[in-house]
Amino acid sequence: EDKVVQSPLSLVVHEGDTVTLNCSYEVTNFRSLLWYKQEKKAPTFLFMLTSSGIEKKSGRLSSILDKKELFSILNITATQTGDSAIYLCAVGIGSQGNLIFGKGTKLSVKP
Amino acid sequence: SAVISQKPSRDICQRGTSLTIQCQVDSQVTMMFWYRQQPGQSLTLIATANQGSEATYESGFVIDKFPISRPNLTFSTLTVSNMSPEDSSIYLCSVRTDLNTEAFFGQGTRLTVV
Repeated sequence: EDKVVQSPLSLVVHEGDTVTLNCSYEVTNFRSLLWYKQEKKAPTFLFMLTSSGIEKKSGRLSSILDKKELFSILNITATQTGDSAIYLCAVGIGSQGNLIFGKGTKLSVKP
Repeated sequence: SAVISQKPSRDICQRGTSLTIQCQVDSQVTMMFWYRQQPGQSLTLIATANQGSEATYESGFVIDKFPISRPNLTFSTLTVSNMSPEDSSIYLCSVRTDLNTEAFFGQGTRLTVV
């Protein structure tokens, strides 16, 4: 059975801290790994990773994929209260385009 | 990119009734999906909405409970039938233009069944 596991499930930090969110997966026919931020209802896209070892970066956020060890990390440096959200990891498999989501990491950033 | 308009944004419904959720995309897309997010849980795929044919349902979801229409490449509806409190969730429409791009999500429908 295909599965995506995120850790930790929740995390509380203070502004300025650096956090690392983890995502491991066991799937057949891997195509891509995606990270989303969910604050209210609709997830908003952060990164899409398809190749190992290539870091994707956007401002204070960065992510990398290891296809040999089947995991990805999402780093957030100098966290701000606006980073408080649920971060979702999803894996695309096969040719249908649907995604398998992990349970998410709830990040709370305290002032 | 794709802009998705999903309606209604939220609703409170009586048990035993049905609710139809609409998803309108600003461009033609081949891949369209419906997800459910139960309280405190992650997103679970309900079905893939196929244009011109019956939707493809995931294990645990059936057409009688979640009928889906997809009359063209820009529009789809999901109906939640004979609702019970366990159907209280966020329902999300999602599209992808191809496998090399991200999935885009509608604003979601927060359904409460009382």
